Amino acid sequence: NAGVTQTPKFQVLKTGQSMTLQCAQDMNHEYMSWYRQDPGMGLRLIHYSVGAGITDQGEVPNGYNVSRSTTEDFPLRLLSAAPSQTSVYFCASEERASGNTIYFGEGSWLTVV
Amino acid sequence: GENVEQHPSTLSVQEGDSAVIKCTYSDSASNYFPWYKQELGKRPQLIIDIRSNVGEKKDQRIAVTLNKTAKHFSLHITETQPEDSAVYFCAASGGTNAGKSTFGDGTTLTVKP
Repeated sequence: NAGVTQTPKFQVLKTGQSMTLQCAQDMNHEYMSWYRQDPGMGLRLIHYSVGAGITDQGEVPNGYNVSRSTTEDFPLRLLSAAPSQTSVYFCASEERASGNTIYFGEGSWLTVV
Repeated sequence: GENVEQHPSTLSVQEGDSAVIKCTYSDSASNYFPWYKQELGKRPQLIIDIRSNVGEKKDQRIAVTLNKTAKHFSLHITETQPEDSAVYFCAASGGTNAGKSTFGDGTTLTVKP
């Protein structure tokens, strides 16, 4: 049982490049989400999904796309990277019942130059 | 949407003293309030949580209290130890906010030996 696995752990992008952060969970959780964490700040929700085929925007969705074709996978796509997207990204999952523990991936450190 | 405010942003205590971190939330529909501890370079880890039908919960040196009427909840750490030094985040979710947690900006706790 690996929990939440996200890749890559580190990435450097040039401005304008696109990339996909991968996230997979093996706990059969219906809820998945992506957060970004900037220095000295909390986690801000980018996009979330309450089940396969369903996604919705969080607090800071601009510049990012998501899809949820399976329960296990929830990739985050950066369409045209900007320096403002330099951050640490965390994928997370939780069970459907309200009020359950969020399980975080190990994080992806992204630098856009 | 939900808004969570966390205070203080930094807290320094002597080993053995108590530490208290407070959070307020805005959406009365939220019913799940977890606290996470994040060490440098690591993912957030759940340390304690409380649901809206409970006023207080304790786990060894850590306790959380919830005042639904005032919409605030607090983390209490007693007999602090140097290994308690980390960033602590509160969050709110559940109800109409199911699947999308809103986090406070974090409190950097330093425990001086």
